[in-house]
Amino acid sequence: GAGVSQTPSNKVTEKGKYVELRCDPISGHTALYWYRQSLGQGPEFLIYFQGTGAADDSGLPNDRFFAVRPEGSVSTLKIQRTERGDSAVYLCASSLQSSGNTGELFFGEGSRLTVL
Amino acid sequence: SQQGEEDPQALSIQEGENATMNCSYKTSINNLQWYRQNSGRGLVHLILIRSNEREKHSGRLRVTLDTSKKSSSLLITASRAADTASYFCATDARYGGSQGNLIFGKGTKLSVKP
Repeated sequence: GAGVSQTPSNKVTEKGKYVELRCDPISGHTALYWYRQSLGQGPEFLIYFQGTGAADDSGLPNDRFFAVRPEGSVSTLKIQRTERGDSAVYLCASSLQSSGNTGELFFGEGSRLTVL
Repeated sequence: SQQGEEDPQALSIQEGENATMNCSYKTSINNLQWYRQNSGRGLVHLILIRSNEREKHSGRLRVTLDTSKKSSSLLITASRAADTASYFCATDARYGGSQGNLIFGKGTKLSVKP
């Protein structure tokens, strides 16, 4: 019965460091999404998984960003050589949807990343 | 890039009044959804309307969809101070590589004064 869990809730790092953000979706949800949200803006799509595979990674801003979901459940968003512009709240969501229409997304509370 | 555009960007009303927020989008869609976000929290799903539906109700919420104008509106009736939050519309594209993902607008920040 738990919701989507994201860790850490807050991460402060220095420019150039490597960061991993974890998302534990609702059990049984096949679809998993990563979004990035800057202050005062809407969530910006990054990547969407259907099972273990990335169905759409067109939102990843550059090759410093990478995400995996090796067993079709937990996902990790990895950011290499962080830059100050990467500072944002990273939101994860999961959904029961199969391919086709997108259903209701269940969001976690987000991981706030601050790059100094 | 964001598919939906909400207006107004900010809305301030008194408790008891109705709040109307609008959303416009660009491409053909399967459905349109509205979400709410309290400050510093994750998003919570409010309502989903399919492309073949014109109006939907859920409690004090009423959503309309006009696919010919590519627009939707969210009406909150008899608003309460607890309705203070940001409201986002989100669409999934019917065609092309972005099928299956949900694209959000920039949101309307609603403030309901007691």
